[in-house]
Amino acid sequence: AQKITQTQPGMFVQEKEAVTLDCTYDTSDPSYGLFWYKQPSSGEMIFLIYQGSYDQQNATEGRYSLNFQKARKSANLVISASQLGDSAMYFCAMREGEYGGATNKLIFGTGTLLAVQP
Amino acid sequence: SAVISQKPSRDICQRGTSLTIQCQVDSQVTMMFWYRQQPGQSLTLIATANQGSEATYESGFVIDKFPISRPNLTFSTLTVSNMSPEDSSIYLCSVSLSYNSPLHFGNGTRLTVT
Repeated sequence: AQKITQTQPGMFVQEKEAVTLDCTYDTSDPSYGLFWYKQPSSGEMIFLIYQGSYDQQNATEGRYSLNFQKARKSANLVISASQLGDSAMYFCAMREGEYGGATNKLIFGTGTLLAVQP
Repeated sequence: SAVISQKPSRDICQRGTSLTIQCQVDSQVTMMFWYRQQPGQSLTLIATANQGSEATYESGFVIDKFPISRPNLTFSTLTVSNMSPEDSSIYLCSVSLSYNSPLHFGNGTRLTVT
């Protein structure tokens, strides 16, 4: 079974609008971390935001926020005020055993290709 | 975060040859990993590079095909051996500065096997 599911292969958004990229996960470990990475066409992987399973508040980093709904096992990325430079592939990832005993191995979803239109 | 230098950035290799990819970090790191990203696909973990001991390989990856070295806490190499066109991928080095910190990635090596 897929541990990380990203159901949107591609998304379009108008510049300056907000966009939500979906991510659902599957784990029986109560201790885990969720990550979002951005991969531009140049290929590098850029860390965006992190949410721990025990964090009480949703993570935010500038224009990025993570809509964490633990009961639904979803960790959607919200990008506010989209910019042309946001056009890239976005990957959701999970790490199990987050609080003690973590192997630091990330499991990645299949990604969502975001295109920001002027 | 750490500065991760990966070399080469890209290469075109002939079938049957081997390529060694280097990953240099500007600080000592606890954990180093090698990932593969096949064309249009997500990232798959190849192995964890262990300092001073044999790497820990994920299911589907073997040492004979992907030998890994990690002589110290700042450097690792991945060799792709006896290459075939199916090995054409981006290979990424990643590091974690400590447990529970995000993974940071090098810029990757784009390998094309002809």
